[in-house]
Amino acid sequence: DGGITQSPKYLFRKEGQNVTLSCEQNLNHDAMYWYRQDPGQGLRLIYYSQIVNDFQKGDIAEGYSVSREKKESFPLTVTSAQKNPTAFYLCASSPRDQGGLSYYEQYFGPGTRLTVT
Amino acid sequence: DAKTTQPPSMDCAEGRAANLPCNHSTISGNEYVYWYRQIHSQGPQYIIHGLKNNETNEMASLIITEDRKSSTLILPHATLRDTAVYYCIVIPFGGSNYKLTFGKGTLLTVNP
Repeated sequence: DGGITQSPKYLFRKEGQNVTLSCEQNLNHDAMYWYRQDPGQGLRLIYYSQIVNDFQKGDIAEGYSVSREKKESFPLTVTSAQKNPTAFYLCASSPRDQGGLSYYEQYFGPGTRLTVT
Repeated sequence: DAKTTQPPSMDCAEGRAANLPCNHSTISGNEYVYWYRQIHSQGPQYIIHGLKNNETNEMASLIITEDRKSSTLILPHATLRDTAVYYCIVIPFGGSNYKLTFGKGTLLTVNP
């Protein structure tokens, strides 16, 4: 089955530790995204990548880093510099541009719930 | 970008059609209407999008009024698994920020 996988579903870390969240897709999509969702809040874009070896900061990139070495994978590292890392993290992918519209047809993974204490 | 207005909540009986309205009275000619939903504790799910013609796929139908100021998402035979928050958003053709920004949406509760 085609889709996006994120692992693990739940993750617990101590404050001051870096942690890497996995995101893999087999949809052959060029673009991938990382969002953060806090309780009762909407989505906030952290980073996105339109193509391999290229990525751009979203609205809340501080304290996060990403890499895009393969089309299928877009891991997110939450560093110790992120002041409020506890959140629900969502990875998504979309087909590449058809005049810009297809970027908004985003397919999401099941999410990773990160708790930092 | 145009703003959207949706009712905060709706109920629907299982097996009946669920009709979810969205008002986007300030929509521009180059803006598309997208619908997503988010089941509790899961990632959002893309449903459908359209410009001015009615659209249908395996999940739902999208009816856009002739003046494009409002639209209705129709789930023809709602099931309990359709209980979710439904988001209507408006996106311009050629938009380049790539991010999805959801408002508060409509919590649809499908009752047995």
